[in-house]
Amino acid sequence: AQSVTQPDIHITVSEGASLELRCNYSYGATPYLFWYVQSPGQGLQLLLKYFSGDTLVQGIKGFEAEFKRSQSSFNLRKPSVHWSDAAEYFCAVGGNAGGTSYGKLTFGQGTILTVHP
Amino acid sequence: EPEVTQTPSHQVTQMGQEVILRCVPISNHLYFYWYRQILGQKVEFLVSFYNNEISEKSEIFDDQFSVERPDGSNFTLKIRSTKLEDSAMYFCASKIGIKSYNSPLHFGNGTRLTVT
Repeated sequence: AQSVTQPDIHITVSEGASLELRCNYSYGATPYLFWYVQSPGQGLQLLLKYFSGDTLVQGIKGFEAEFKRSQSSFNLRKPSVHWSDAAEYFCAVGGNAGGTSYGKLTFGQGTILTVHP
Repeated sequence: EPEVTQTPSHQVTQMGQEVILRCVPISNHLYFYWYRQILGQKVEFLVSFYNNEISEKSEIFDDQFSVERPDGSNFTLKIRSTKLEDSAMYFCASKIGIKSYNSPLHFGNGTRLTVT
């Protein structure tokens, strides 16, 4: 069964500092990987996704993530954090059995990001 | 940009009552989903829906739950007899069918269901 682990429940960084949010996954085949962000009272917004090809993927809002198959990881990074990045971040792995399975995501626990001015 | 819209944003109901959560997926999308997030827990898959039938459902999605696409625009989740443990944020999501593996899942803002 597929699973996703986000080891850090809560991370605090200063504005302008770099950020790395960790994500480890377990999946029996080539994974489809995603990072979503959720601001308070909002839905889940897709930051970036990995399906195949280049293992370093660029997303919106200056985020990037690197897929490392050997480490079963898909860590999210941003070189300089802005106060508006404060939110909860979810890593997810998707199915690849065709049809609706592509939208059947298994989420991690989430990491709450606090940004200090 | 088109959005998935969910109504209401917050619903309070008494235990044992029926609730219907409503969603309007993006108009040209073909795959529909419900997820839920109990406070402090992971976002969990409930059910997927395509071509007017359930494609897959999780263990959570028992006989108390049902989904329906009553017309060309709405997608509903019904909980027949709510329990306290059904209190959660429920997210609707939709996905375009063409090249579905490479298209993102679009989520609504959620309906917070509180069962008292």
